[in-house]
Amino acid sequence: SQQGEEDPQALSIQEGENATMNCSYKTSINNLQWYRQNSGRGLVHLILIRSNEREKHSGRLRVTLDTSKKSSSLLITASRAADTASYFCATAGSNYKLTFGKGTLLTVNP
Amino acid sequence: DSGVTQTPKHLITATGQRVTLRCSPRSGDLSVYWYQQSLDQGLQFLIQYYNGEERAKGNILERFSAQQFPDLHSELNLSSLELGDSALYFCASSEYTAGEKLFFGSGTQLSVL
Repeated sequence: SQQGEEDPQALSIQEGENATMNCSYKTSINNLQWYRQNSGRGLVHLILIRSNEREKHSGRLRVTLDTSKKSSSLLITASRAADTASYFCATAGSNYKLTFGKGTLLTVNP
Repeated sequence: DSGVTQTPKHLITATGQRVTLRCSPRSGDLSVYWYQQSLDQGLQFLIQYYNGEERAKGNILERFSAQQFPDLHSELNLSSLELGDSALYFCASSEYTAGEKLFFGSGTQLSVL
């Protein structure tokens, strides 16, 4: 079964707007990661946040982690058409397995 | 380019057949992971190898098997194929084995007819 669940399942915005995706998970984690997948391609790692971190930035990406609520959010600022992709959260526990959610499909309209 | 190479990119076969998917990890990576992606199940973890040894097992069917060779490349064998095995199969690699950043290959699209 999936550990993380992304919300919303699909998001459509205009270029220049911010996009926020959320991820909820069920069990304790060592870290949480976000990946991007362009249609039919391999996943690309975006950012990793450890369980003792609350916020992390990378370029236009901002990730937050709330372990008390078992949730994370990914914010993409000033979105571009090239950001159109599926975004997945993945949780890593102590058993070496990285478990992915079903993803959020982000469409950025020019 | 992630540095992870998967072959073949596409595979079309019939039910009941057996196929082998191949993966070469990034140079220096000791861990190889196999994932299956389908529309209904999402991205499912199948199995992980670290330096030749099986390290973790996920939702891998008994008809499926994998191994990692001394040169660290890995193969995923799928046998007695069924229509429902049609999916995109990804290999990923990482330097270590503690759930760190994964580098994904471009996948093998398997179609079982």
